[in-house]
This record gives sequence, C-alpha cells and structure tokens, in this order.
Amino acid sequence: DVKVTQSSRYLVKRTGEKVFLECVQDMDHENMFWYRQDPGLGLRLIYFSYDVKMKEKGDIPEGYSVSREKKERFSLILESASTNQTSMYLCASSLSGGAFPEQYFGPGTRLTVT
Amino acid sequence: QKEVEQNSGPLSVPEGAIASLNCTYSDRGSQSFFWYRQYSGKSPELIMSIYSNGDKEDGRFTAQLNKASQYVSLLIRDSQPSDSATYLCAVVSGTYKYIFGTGTRLKVLA
Repeated sequence: DVKVTQSSRYLVKRTGEKVFLECVQDMDHENMFWYRQDPGLGLRLIYFSYDVKMKEKGDIPEGYSVSREKKERFSLILESASTNQTSMYLCASSLSGGAFPEQYFGPGTRLTVT
Repeated sequence: QKEVEQNSGPLSVPEGAIASLNCTYSDRGSQSFFWYRQYSGKSPELIMSIYSNGDKEDGRFTAQLNKASQYVSLLIRDSQPSDSATYLCAVVSGTYKYIFGTGTRLKVLA
C-alpha cells in the first residue's frame, strides 16, 4: 500500500511566521504535489516536483516555496504566513510514466494563521 | 467555463439504491480520469481510475467514460450509509496537470 505522511494534522501559526510543511512517501514515487483545498474552490495545485531538486509552479505558487532534496520528501514553505493561507494542505505522490497514473494523498494538514 | 464540472449536490439516495455521479470536462485531449472519495475532514481517497471509453467495474463501483461527449460518471450500486461522502472527479490535462472538480456530496439515507 502507498503511504504518504504529513508532518502535522493541525497547525496554528501567527501572521509573518515562516511555516514548514513536510511530506514523506514510502513508495519510491517520482512525482510529488502540494495542493490546498478550500470550500467551494476545490483542490488547487501549489507546486509539484517530478524529480529530486526539480520543481514546477502550479496554479497558485505566490507566497509559497518548495524543497525536494530527497526523492521521498517534499516540503512546502510559507515564507511569511498570512491569514489568507489558512487552509487544508494536501500532499500527494504518483509514479511517473507514459500514462498519467493515480495520485495518492496524505492525511492533510489543517493550517490556521492568526 | 470550469475545466472540470460536477454538480455540488447534495445527492440523496435511499440505502440499497444506485447512486449516479457525473462529471464533465472541457479538454478533449484529456487522457486519464479518476474518482476520489473524501469524507468530511479527511483527505481524498482514490476509488477508481479509467483511461479508455466504456465501463470499468470494481466491486460496487462502476466508472463510465465517454470521451466524445466529454463526460465521466461513477455508479455506486447497493449504496450504503458509509458511502456518504464527497466524490471528486479528477482529469489529467497536459503533462502533470491534474484538474479536480469541486465534488458532489452524496448522502445515503438509512
């Protein structure tokens, strides 16, 4: 079974803090993704990575950065947290390949910025 | 026009009935299609994937794909109260671009 874990289920941070969200997968997947999910807006892609040290911007990268130093680990960084970054953050991973394989999600981190 | 559209619901069905969930997409070049189930406060869980036209069955679930009409559907037979959740349709459009619908909320009434 694919297992994707995230460092925290719930997190409360103050405005202006630097926030690190970590994601680890144990299935040797090449691709890793960070999404945020908000009511009525669905899942929106922040960043994804298709290899170690490689990253691509998604639809809403502003205010975020990522790091992928090892294949199994993909970190999302909020450089200076703001209240509009209060959201559910979801990490996902998938194999690479000719077709577009399924994504598997971690349990999510509910971040509140006050 | 949204790239992936789903009726938000709620769709209410009695226990034991067939629940039919629909999704339309705008990119004709889309190649891969997925259904996820998401319980309240939890993350999405993959339940079906489909890549070619026609039906694909897995237990009580059947995914149907019609690329000419640009829709994908999910049928849940013998619906149970535990099936009550939000169902997300996901479509892959272009390299690495997974587009999710906003989901249909299903309520199965005991």
